[in-house]
Amino acid sequence: DTAVSQTPKYLVTQMGNDKSIKCEQNLGHDTMYWYKQDSKKFLKIMFSYNNKELIINETVPNRFSPKSPDKAHLNLHINSLELGDSAVYFCASSQGAGGNTIYFGEGSWLTVV
Amino acid sequence: QKEVEQDPGPLSVPEGAIVSLNCTYSNSAFQYFMWYRQYSRKGPELLMYTYSSGNKEDGRFTAQVDKSSKYISLFIRDSQPSDSATYLCAMNSGGYQKVTFGIGTKLQVIP
Repeated sequence: DTAVSQTPKYLVTQMGNDKSIKCEQNLGHDTMYWYKQDSKKFLKIMFSYNNKELIINETVPNRFSPKSPDKAHLNLHINSLELGDSAVYFCASSQGAGGNTIYFGEGSWLTVV
Repeated sequence: QKEVEQDPGPLSVPEGAIVSLNCTYSNSAFQYFMWYRQYSRKGPELLMYTYSSGNKEDGRFTAQVDKSSKYISLFIRDSQPSDSATYLCAMNSGGYQKVTFGIGTKLQVIP
């Protein structure tokens, strides 16, 4: 029974397209995150939501828009995809301000061609 | 200078060896220190976390934090081929502050 699940796992798309990645957690956590891991394997936070409220918004292009319909879901929509957006995107969750115990999903491999 | 520095490796050791993985950091506000393990094409999984300075042991794994030197370590005793993965250190200053990750050290344990 997957704790943090995200779909799709693999996504190949053309430049300029709009795509979404969905994430759901069944851990009962109230904080969710999106992380990006680039080709150099560097893992960086993009967004963090607590009870559907945005609490961390790193320097991310406006083309990336997170949406949290409820505290168990955090989706990521990306407009006008660029080659540099190719990366692995990880959804994650934690309880409260427990940023020290983050549970990650399996990742979504995005390739922009 | 990056906030968190970690040697990406790769580090190859024979089975049964003691492995030492390390990170240095520059932000003295960091109080929580974590180690994650990431297998190929998988998400990171939390191995251990410690608060402030000191040691913490869990089975074959020992985490050490030296805040005076801004240096953290993860030791793996009796390393196994199944320990082959990338190990990422991570840290934050608590609350809702973001967690900053090291780049990860790729470890290979050779049978």
